[in-house]
Parts: sequence; structure tokens; C-alpha cells
Amino acid sequence: ILNVEQSPQSLHVQEGDSTNFTCSFPSSNFYALHWYRWETAKSPEALFVMTLNGDEKKKGRISATLNTKEGYSYLYIKGSQPEDSATYLCAFLTNAGKSTFGDGTTLTVKP
Amino acid sequence: ETGVTQTPRHLVMGMTNKKSLKCEQHLGHNAMYWYKQSAKKPLELMFVYNFKEQTENNSVPSRFSPECPNSSHLFLHLHTLQPEDSALYLCASTRGLEQFFGPGTRLTVL
Repeated sequence: ILNVEQSPQSLHVQEGDSTNFTCSFPSSNFYALHWYRWETAKSPEALFVMTLNGDEKKKGRISATLNTKEGYSYLYIKGSQPEDSATYLCAFLTNAGKSTFGDGTTLTVKP
Repeated sequence: ETGVTQTPRHLVMGMTNKKSLKCEQHLGHNAMYWYKQSAKKPLELMFVYNFKEQTENNSVPSRFSPECPNSSHLFLHLHTLQPEDSALYLCASTRGLEQFFGPGTRLTVL
């Protein structure tokens, strides 16, 4: 069983705050790490696919980093907006093609 | 919109019913997936199809029967389900490492 853990489980911030959350995964058999954004009643939306140790990716106010040696990835949101409210999922993909999801971090941004 | 659609969006069925969930994508992807999300649990992979062939069955009970008639359509046939099978069922397709999800079917088994 592969353990993918996300923390915190939930987060409440004020509009304009910057925030970050963590995805921890096994450091062996790594192939890729996915981040998804999932709004209620909608499809999970792919944010980033990260494959290389030290990778940093950015999309607007959202960025992510990857450390495959120690088995973690951080997702950062700069200047949170109410529309950023969603559940953020990470998924660890092994080199055998097996994908394991974390429980997600639910972000609520208050206006 | 991800380009992956699922019908129905909500389904209520009794334990003796037979129903089917449908997933459709016209993105040209050759791999399609079924996932299950139960309450307070992470997404769990159920089945994977590559070029219409099943390549993974993640120890799913036989009361769930997938079908992939072509690369654009994926079905999940449901028969004699249990109340604990109530969950959100998500379909996805992939292009390389990128996975595109449908909005899911919320299934309630009475």
C-alpha cells in the first residue's frame, strides 16, 4: 500500500493571504506527481504534472515544488481569492504506472 | 470543461437493480479509467483500459462490470450493489501524463 498524505486536511484563510500545503509520498519508485484542483460538483482540473527532483512549476498565482529524494511537494497560492476555494489533490504515480491519491486539502478563502 | 462527460450525474438504485454509468471523451485519448471516491476516503482506482483492452482491475468486486466498446466510450455496469457501494464514481482519460476527469456520477444504493 502506497501512502500519500496531504496536510493540512482543511484550511481557512482571508482573501489576500498567501498559503501553502504539503503532499508527502514514498521516495522510491517515483515517476510523477500530479496536483489537481477540485471544485464542488465539477471535474478535478489538472494543475501541474511534476517529474524531476527540484522541479518548480507556476500557473498564475499558484506554484508547486517537488523534492523526490525526501518525498514531498508543496503547493503555494499567493494572494488567495475566493475563487481559489476548492479541494487540492495530489497523486503519486509510480514507475509501474500505479497512481495513488491523497485525501486532499480543502481550502476556503473568505472575502 | 475537461472534455470528459459522464451520465447520469446522479443515480439512486436499489440493491436488486441493474444500471449503467457512461463516460465519453472525444479528445483522442486511448486510456480510460474508472475511479471511486467513498465518503472521507481518497480516490481509488478501479479499472484501466488502454486501446479498449482492460489493463488493470484493482481487485474490484464482480458486481461492477466495465465495458469499453471503443476508445471514446467507457461504461460501468452495476448489478446487485450494496449500500456501501454508494460513492462518487469518476471517469478519466489520459494524454501522456496528463489526466482529464469527468464530473462524476453520485451513486446512492438503497
